[in-house]
Amino acid sequence: EPEVTQTPSHQVTQMGQEVILRCVPISNHLYFYWYRQILGQKVEFLVSFYNNEISEKSEIFDDQFSVERPDGSNFTLKIRSTKLEDSAMYFCASSEARYTGELFFGEGSRLTVL
Amino acid sequence: AQKITQTQPGMFVQEKEAVTLDCTYDTSDPSYGLFWYKQPSSGEMIFLIYQGSYDQQNATEGRYSLNFQKARKSANLVISASQLGDSAMYFCAMREGSTGANNLFFGTGTRLTVIP
Repeated sequence: EPEVTQTPSHQVTQMGQEVILRCVPISNHLYFYWYRQILGQKVEFLVSFYNNEISEKSEIFDDQFSVERPDGSNFTLKIRSTKLEDSAMYFCASSEARYTGELFFGEGSRLTVL
Repeated sequence: AQKITQTQPGMFVQEKEAVTLDCTYDTSDPSYGLFWYKQPSSGEMIFLIYQGSYDQQNATEGRYSLNFQKARKSANLVISASQLGDSAMYFCAMREGSTGANNLFFGTGTRLTVIP
């Protein structure tokens, strides 16, 4: 069964460093998303991406964050100058369509900022 | 106002019994979708079931069914014949379909524990 894959599964970084989280969405999906879950809290939307551009972003997704689809398969989230409060599980998701059908989530990348 | 409300932080159920996890939602958009996801201790988010606002019948997927009461704005998840592997966090989520928003709003989750 096709699945969304994410790397790394866990990354530890020093405050102020840049981090890139990688995702390979399901191959025939067109919409891609990043979500964040701070430990013990609910899952929060960060950004959605379609046709090589951001289609929506939340207020969390400020200039510190950027997304890119550098080739036909990868979808990346870059976090510049990480802060302690960026420590969270970051989920990538993809979907075939925009308004119907489920989002398929990856297993998440746990980011720990020290 | 919260778009998704899950009022049960924790629930216990005896193995093989049925359990209902509550979810209420708030939207003025006539087109929306409701989702339930399971998050085991390993952390991944597993899709369980989806209900569209225009669907006439309640969604079912194996042992999962969604009790959709549109007038009450509730979308409760019913798990029948609970199994030990059902112990996990369960999140209700909503997507609003016609405002241009295509992201999911999640509730705070319900931790389900299945007792042998």
